[in-house]
Amino acid sequence: GENVEQHPSTLSVQEGDSAVIKCTYSDSASNYFPWYKQELGKRPQLIIDIRSNVGEKKDQRIAVTLNKTAKHFSLHITETQPEDSAVYFCAARTPTGGTSYGKLTFGQGTILTVHP
Amino acid sequence: NAGVTQTPKFRVLKTGQSMTLLCAQDMNHEYMYWYRQDPGMGLRLIHYSVGEGTTAKGEVPDGYNVSRLKKQNFLLGLESAAPSQTSVYFCASSYWGGGRTDTQYFGPGTRLTVL
Repeated sequence: GENVEQHPSTLSVQEGDSAVIKCTYSDSASNYFPWYKQELGKRPQLIIDIRSNVGEKKDQRIAVTLNKTAKHFSLHITETQPEDSAVYFCAARTPTGGTSYGKLTFGQGTILTVHP
Repeated sequence: NAGVTQTPKFRVLKTGQSMTLLCAQDMNHEYMYWYRQDPGMGLRLIHYSVGEGTTAKGEVPDGYNVSRLKKQNFLLGLESAAPSQTSVYFCASSYWGGGRTDTQYFGPGTRLTVL
């Protein structure tokens, strides 16, 4: 099955700096890669996603890049703010059979701390 | 529109006791999922359902059973709880993948402790 590795496990930055979280996946058939943000005691919430036919996607201060050849994708947060502090999870979806549906496999998570 | 809700929010069980966690969604989603979240291990899929009356095993199904009798509800059962099942359980739902967004929407979670 799919295996997703996420690094680093913890990341500490100063407010205003950039933060980068990287994930690698094992199954070349995976075609959908979401990123979730989970604040302490809250539910995971989707912040950005990318599909395998796109190399980069940006939404204000957040961007995701995908390298299908190397089977890795990254989350970039620019101009970090204290409210960006949370746990971030990457995931990969591998299609099942003839449908576009597939189960999500999550990375282990990155604890991001943004210091004021 | 409440989204995805879970009942209960917290529960403490003794080893060997049973319980059922309820997940409900009002977004008319076809797909529903149960995950467990443990420190340092991300979210691991327990069971999932691709429609009313269907269920399938995920990554860590042992010790759990599920039922999807109604489209809007997905139940997770523990027949004989073990300390290893101490975790935070999240339910999620999504539209059918074909032609629609694949976004999974999560419930608020249930914190379960087994003594």
